[in-house]
Amino acid sequence: NAGVTQTPKFQVLKTGQSMTLQCAQDMNHEYMSWYRQDPGMGLRLIHYSVGAGITDQGEVPNGYNVSRSTTEDFPLRLLSAAPSQTSVYFCASSYGFRGLGETQYFGPGTRLLVL
Amino acid sequence: RKEVEQDPGPFNVPEGATVAFNCTYSNSASQSFFWYRQDCRKEPKLLMSVYSSGNEDGRFTAQLNRASQYISLLIRDSKLSDSATYLCVVNIIQSRRGNQFYFGTGTSLTVIP
Repeated sequence: NAGVTQTPKFQVLKTGQSMTLQCAQDMNHEYMSWYRQDPGMGLRLIHYSVGAGITDQGEVPNGYNVSRSTTEDFPLRLLSAAPSQTSVYFCASSYGFRGLGETQYFGPGTRLLVL
Repeated sequence: RKEVEQDPGPFNVPEGATVAFNCTYSNSASQSFFWYRQDCRKEPKLLMSVYSSGNEDGRFTAQLNRASQYISLLIRDSKLSDSATYLCVVNIIQSRRGNQFYFGTGTSLTVIP
């Protein structure tokens, strides 16, 4: 199993550009999520999905869209990049979404710089 | 108020020392608790789950106090390889929306030779 994969690893954008961060998992996990990690802020949940066709907002959803057309893929779209979106983005997945003690598996992250 | 609060450190300890990290959480509906480890410029990885009765994994011991809403991690006989940031994580199950995980900002540990 490849686990959770993310592309690209690094990206530089200009303000106003749009892009999609890709995330895929091959573990047949129902639950997938996107976080951003900023210094002194910890990981903050952007959007999450409990299964194909179902998405919901997390703590910091503004400026981001997601979709979940398949179990495996959960892309994150930046609609119009802003410098405040400079961050490290992590995708994560876990097997279930209602069970207790579910472990999350993280992808390697995407480092995004918005100029 | 943050859902999870941790002392950011940094903790600088000599090899062989015992070090303890503490974490508090604000939501009494929190169901599951974890410690994750994050190395510099890497993704977080599960270190251990935290059970109500406390649990141990080798040199690592985790404790949970639900009444005080407090989680701890004890590392005994610190190794250089333990140098990392330790993240406290709580999981709240919201019936319609499923799991939400809340992360602390992390506690930085450096083990010094």
